[in-house]
Amino acid sequence: AQSVTQLGSHVSVSEGALVLLRCNYSSSVPPYLFWYVQYPNQGLQLLLKYTSAATLVKGINGFEAEFKKSETSFHLTKPSAHMSDAAEYFCAVSDSNYQLIWGAGTKLIIKP
Amino acid sequence: EAQVTQNPRYLITVTGKKLTVTCSQNMNHEYMSWYRQDPGLGLRQIYYSMNVEVTDKGDVPEGYKVSRKEKRNFPLILESPSPNQTSLYFCASSSLLYDTEAFFGQGTRLTVV
Repeated sequence: AQSVTQLGSHVSVSEGALVLLRCNYSSSVPPYLFWYVQYPNQGLQLLLKYTSAATLVKGINGFEAEFKKSETSFHLTKPSAHMSDAAEYFCAVSDSNYQLIWGAGTKLIIKP
Repeated sequence: EAQVTQNPRYLITVTGKKLTVTCSQNMNHEYMSWYRQDPGLGLRQIYYSMNVEVTDKGDVPEGYKVSRKEKRNFPLILESPSPNQTSLYFCASSSLLYDTEAFFGQGTRLTVV
C-alpha cells in the first residue's frame, strides 16, 4: 500500500528565511504527487502537483517542489518566508484507484 | 466559479440527535469524498463516491452514512452522533483522473456534547 510521510508536524522559520517542508512517499508505480495548503479556518487548496512533465514544479505564492525518484521525495521549498505563509501543508499521492493518500500535515510557523 | 459548498459551517448538537451535513459541487465531478480532520491525525477519509449511486467506505466509516442520488450532491449523515465524532469535516470533489486537483469545501466544525 502506498504511504506518505511528512517529517515534522511543526516547522518554525523566521520571516525571510528559507522554507523547507519534507515529504517522502512509497509507491511501486510512477506517482502523481500533490502539495495542498490549508489556511486557518479554510479548506484545502492545491499548491502544486507533479505529473511527470518536469521534476521541478512551480506552484502558487512562490512555492516549488522537486521530485526525486531516487530518494522517493517531493520536498516543498520557498526561498523567502512571508508571514502570510503561515498555514498547514499537506503532501498527497494519487493511487491506482484515484484515491489521494495523505501525509499527516506540517504546520508552518513564521517568526517575525 | 468552481466551488464545493458545505453546510452548515458550524454545528453543535447533542448525543444521539440525527444530523446531516450537505455538500454540493458545481463542476460536474464524478468523484466526491468526505474527510474528517483531527489534530495530529491529518485527513482521514470517511466515505467516497465515484459516481451516482456508487459509494464506498474509506478509512473511518463507522457511525456515518452517505448517499449519492445526484451527481452534484453528497450528504454526510450521522444517524446517532457521539462525542468522538466531534471533528472538522471536509467534503471534496474531483474528476476521475490521476493527476486531477481535488476541490475542497470550507469545512464543517461539528461538536457533539
